[in-house]
Amino acid sequence: KQEVTQIPAALSVPEGENLVLNCSFTDSAIYNLQWFRQDPGKGLTSLLLIQSSQREQTSGRLNASLDKSSGRSTLYIAASQPGDSATYLCAPGGDKIIFGKGTRLHILP
Amino acid sequence: GAVVSQHPSWVICKSGTSVKIECRSLDFQATTMFWYRQFPKQSLMLMATSNEGSKATYEQGVEKDKFLINHASLTLSTLTVTSAHPEDSSFYICSAGGGTGKNEQFFGPGTRLTVL
Repeated sequence: KQEVTQIPAALSVPEGENLVLNCSFTDSAIYNLQWFRQDPGKGLTSLLLIQSSQREQTSGRLNASLDKSSGRSTLYIAASQPGDSATYLCAPGGDKIIFGKGTRLHILP
Repeated sequence: GAVVSQHPSWVICKSGTSVKIECRSLDFQATTMFWYRQFPKQSLMLMATSNEGSKATYEQGVEKDKFLINHASLTLSTLTVTSAHPEDSSFYICSAGGGTGKNEQFFGPGTRLTVL
């Protein structure tokens, strides 16, 4: 059974800082891994999708890496902005997608 | 990217009534859709896997007689919460895969259910 752990559970940083969110998972038999953001009371916004054969993906200020064999992924956010404040969810995708509990990020203006 | 819609976006109902939530893949066909539930300040929990033309597969602890899933076509899955109670109040989100060949899941915007 897939178990997903995200560290830290919450993070507050001043605007402009670079930051790293961590995700670990127990079952490496995945097709891909997705990172999402969720604003309070809203649905999911897909940020990045990394295929199991890939090591990383980049989109703008976001970079996600995947080490499938060790069951780890990181989401790097460069030059953080207040608009980045949200909950970030890691979701390894096998036959099912199992979510971590997320990291609640607050960027201080 | 592929688009998944849900209807309604929110619903308020009385205890004991049944509520149906629709999940549609608008521009691709999905043989499999997934239903999730999210309680306040918690993560998404997978409830069931909806398979077109066959019975849904429920996760452990999810009552299949209470949460009826029907995958009527390759673009539509429905979740019916039967005899809803206040503890069923939650945010229900569906996802569907396909269309890109990347095993990527596309998520609907969610349905907020409040049971009075």
